[in-house]
Amino acid sequence: EIVLTQSPGTLSLSPGERATLSCRASQSVSSSYLAWYQQKPGQAPRLLIYGASSRATGIPDRFSGSGSGTDFTLTISRLEPEDFAVYYCQQYLQGLTFGGGTKVEIK
Amino acid sequence: EVQLVESGGGLVQPGRSLRLSCAASGFTFDDYAMHWVRQAPGKGLEWVSGISWNSGSIGYADSVKGRFTISRDNAKNSLYLQMNSLRAEDTALYYCAKAYTAMEYDAFDIWGQGTMVTVSS
Repeated sequence: EIVLTQSPGTLSLSPGERATLSCRASQSVSSSYLAWYQQKPGQAPRLLIYGASSRATGIPDRFSGSGSGTDFTLTISRLEPEDFAVYYCQQYLQGLTFGGGTKVEIK
Repeated sequence: EVQLVESGGGLVQPGRSLRLSCAASGFTFDDYAMHWVRQAPGKGLEWVSGISWNSGSIGYADSVKGRFTISRDNAKNSLYLQMNSLRAEDTALYYCAKAYTAMEYDAFDIWGQGTMVTVSS
């Protein structure tokens, strides 16, 4: 099973700041099989990024994904108030697994 | 409008069974693989099971293998999860999710709002 480790567990930032979230895989998932989701309290997850770097439909361009192999990054260029949430990475190369999540909270 | 609506959750005793349903609308259901993902209270996401468009390929997480059975009825645009021998650790919000493409394992672009399953005596 491919294990995904997300860091940090919590990121405390102010609106307007840049957020950098990390997802590390226990083995390579290439550059095509990694997705990122946003989840707000009481809501279902929302797909942000698939294929490591492709934005899903309707996702603002302040969200970007990068990486390949075992190291991936989700970057939010300038945090908006609605971006404070929990973010999960997911691999779908070998079965399906999720990372443990990173909470982005208001500082 | 593209939509997934889960139903069938509730309170059940350990060892008993429950069947979840997911009704899909707004897209061509039989073009896509479908999945179940769960989230225990206050915890992260856990993939449970997935089924290909024609039910030819099915997968389960180790934690539910042998106890849960996924199925679909393309004529009814519906996905199901039969859960047997339920345990306290199966307590979670169960989401139905649509694969983004025709790939069996994929990102999930559409999610339902979930149905809560509580296993307790």
